[in-house]
Amino acid sequence: DIRMTQSPSSLSASVGDRVTITCRASQGISNYLAWFQQMPGKVPKLLIYAASTLQSGVPSRFSGSGSGTDFTLTISSLQPEDVATYYCQKYNSAPFSFGPGTKVDLK
Amino acid sequence: QVQLVESGGGVVQPGRSLRLSCAASGFTFSSFTMHWVRQTPGKGLEWVAVISYDGSNRYSADSVKGRFTISRDNSENTLFLQMNSLRAEDTAVYYCARPNTSGWSQPPVLWGQGTLVTVSS
Repeated sequence: DIRMTQSPSSLSASVGDRVTITCRASQGISNYLAWFQQMPGKVPKLLIYAASTLQSGVPSRFSGSGSGTDFTLTISSLQPEDVATYYCQKYNSAPFSFGPGTKVDLK
Repeated sequence: QVQLVESGGGVVQPGRSLRLSCAASGFTFSSFTMHWVRQTPGKGLEWVAVISYDGSNRYSADSVKGRFTISRDNSENTLFLQMNSLRAEDTAVYYCARPNTSGWSQPPVLWGQGTLVTVSS
């Protein structure tokens, strides 16, 4: 099975900072990669699918890139409401594994 | 109103069984692949199982294979997760989730609120 990893596991940044999270698949998954945001105590929310397509209603400061095995989620200007844990998920085929998550908080 | 509502969670002893349900409303349930995803309190998301729109294809994570079975009743707009031989490590909030469009290879966009399963003696 394909294994998903993320780095870093956590980060602290200031409001307005550019934040980058990396997700890596152990084998190529084309662009079948989604990013989720989970705020404390809340249900996961789909941010990006097909590696770079923004889900409707998601602020444009979020963007995704990558293909194959290496992917990136970028928050161009961190806002207080972006404090959350971010997960990547592969969905090219089962098992639809998630990465271990990256916790983002404010410095 | 488009929504998913899980039920059936609770406290169960190790080795026992439990069946979770997910009631769908506001959309054509029979058109969508459905997933179960779980989250141990304070930990990350773990994908558990998937079933195709008509129930003909199913797949489970290795961690639950042979113990958990995903199924659906399209006439009742309900998704199920039969969990047997439960272990302490199965303790988690269990979510059902649906992709935005029909098809197997789509990420989940609609999530229920989750139901907590606690496996403890």
